[in-house]
Amino acid sequence: EVQLVESGGGLVQPGRSLRLSCAASGFTFDDYAMHWVRQAPGKGLEWVSGISWNSGSIGYADSVKGRFTISRDNAKNSLYLQMNSLRAEDTALYYCAKDQSARPVGDFDYWGQGTLVTVSS
Amino acid sequence: QSALTQPASVSGSPGQSITISCTGTSSDVGSYNLVSWYQQHPGKAPKLMIYEVSKRPSGVSNRFSGSKSGNTASLTISGLQAEDEADYYCCSYAGSSTKVFGGGTKLTVL
Repeated sequence: EVQLVESGGGLVQPGRSLRLSCAASGFTFDDYAMHWVRQAPGKGLEWVSGISWNSGSIGYADSVKGRFTISRDNAKNSLYLQMNSLRAEDTALYYCAKDQSARPVGDFDYWGQGTLVTVSS
Repeated sequence: QSALTQPASVSGSPGQSITISCTGTSSDVGSYNLVSWYQQHPGKAPKLMIYEVSKRPSGVSNRFSGSKSGNTASLTISGLQAEDEADYYCCSYAGSSTKVFGGGTKLTVL
């Protein structure tokens, strides 16, 4: 059974940093691209970032480019999102999602339950 | 990276069919057959319903179908059921390893 478990969320002040993690199991992690998708309270889904199976292809939404860094450790079956210079508008539930493809171009066939990030002073 | 355009809400009676549109540009929807649709019930994670414009994952009802014409993709749900009431989001590949979602459509089953 595929499982994606996010962690690392919490309350953080504007301008500070936070690192999210996603532990994956139930599939061959290094065969697939992975993504972070967020959802602000009461709002729609927003794609944040995606990374290919070998970290060779990475993409970011314009809203986070230059502030967020996605990475993965295939030996640990883990996906990460380093979030710097956080803003109030980054407040959201952050989902980890598995791609159906090895490159970050496909579809999200499995999702975690999300970890909540709240940016507030 | 502008969000794809979806109607804010649609509604239909049980047994009827509804269609949700998703309009993008020639840089995303119009350039790639990589449009997907997600269903999200309140408080739950999204669920993949359609991928690569018109393919259904295993376990998804054949009442759900997808299509695309030019820069607009569509999701059609036939034989509406109460359990279909949810938010629906389209998503497209937008080049350079980026993706873009639509704003979401709230489906109400009357």
